Amino acid sequence: DQQVKQNSPSLSVQEGRISILNCDYTNSMFDYFLWYKKYPAEGPTFLISISSIKDKNEDGRFTVFLNKSAKHLSLHIVPSQPGDSAVYFCAASARSGAGSYQLTFGKGTKLSVIP
Amino acid sequence: ETGVTQSPTHLIKTRGQQVTLRCSSQSGHNTVSWYQQALGQGPQFIFQYYREEENGRGNFPPRFSGLQFPNYSSELNVNALELDDSALYLCASSLGGLFYGYTFGSGTRLTVV
Repeated sequence: DQQVKQNSPSLSVQEGRISILNCDYTNSMFDYFLWYKKYPAEGPTFLISISSIKDKNEDGRFTVFLNKSAKHLSLHIVPSQPGDSAVYFCAASARSGAGSYQLTFGKGTKLSVIP
Repeated sequence: ETGVTQSPTHLIKTRGQQVTLRCSSQSGHNTVSWYQQALGQGPQFIFQYYREEENGRGNFPPRFSGLQFPNYSSELNVNALELDDSALYLCASSLGGLFYGYTFGSGTRLTVV
C-alpha cells in the first residue's frame, strides 16, 4: 500500500518554462512534507519542505503547495533550467512509536529540462 | 565539514551470504538512518539509530540489523541474503533525529546473485 504516490514517472519541460511535479498521499498522520532531488550516483539532496499547517512555501525558484483536503502537494520550478534535470522524490514524515521520525518516499519523477 | 560517506560503493554477494555496509555520519550529527532503494522505487526506511540505540524501524525482517558506534558512525548488516535484497542502500545522518536536517550519502549498490 503506497502511502505517497507520484503518478508521473517522467516529465519533460522546455528551459525557461514552469515545471510542476505532483504528489498524493493517503496517511492523514503525515505532518511534514519534503522534496528531494537526486542525480545519478549521488544521494538525494534536500530541496524544500512544508509543514502540514501551511499551504505554501517558497524558496527562490522553488515553491511547494499543499492541499490538505485533497491530500495533494506539488512542486513548482520557475523558470526551469537544464541543471534541474534529475529525479525528484516527494517524501512525508510521521512520528514513529519509538519517537523517531521516518520518511516515506514516493517512487520519484524524472524531470528533463530541454535547452 | 565532511558529508556522509558510505563504503563500499558497489558490492556483489551470493544468495545466502552476509554483508556489512558502513556509514560515517556528517560531523556534528548524532543520528543515522538507513534506507533501501530498489530499482524504480523510492527509498524505504529500514531503521534509525540515535545515541547508539535503535529508535525506529520500518517493515524489514530481523535479518536486517544495525549498529551505531560512539563516534556516531554506523553499520548495516544483512544476513541470509536474498535476490530481492539487491538495491541501493542509503545512509542519512542528522542531528537529534530531525529528518529535515538529513544529509544522505551516495549509497552502496548491493547486487545479490
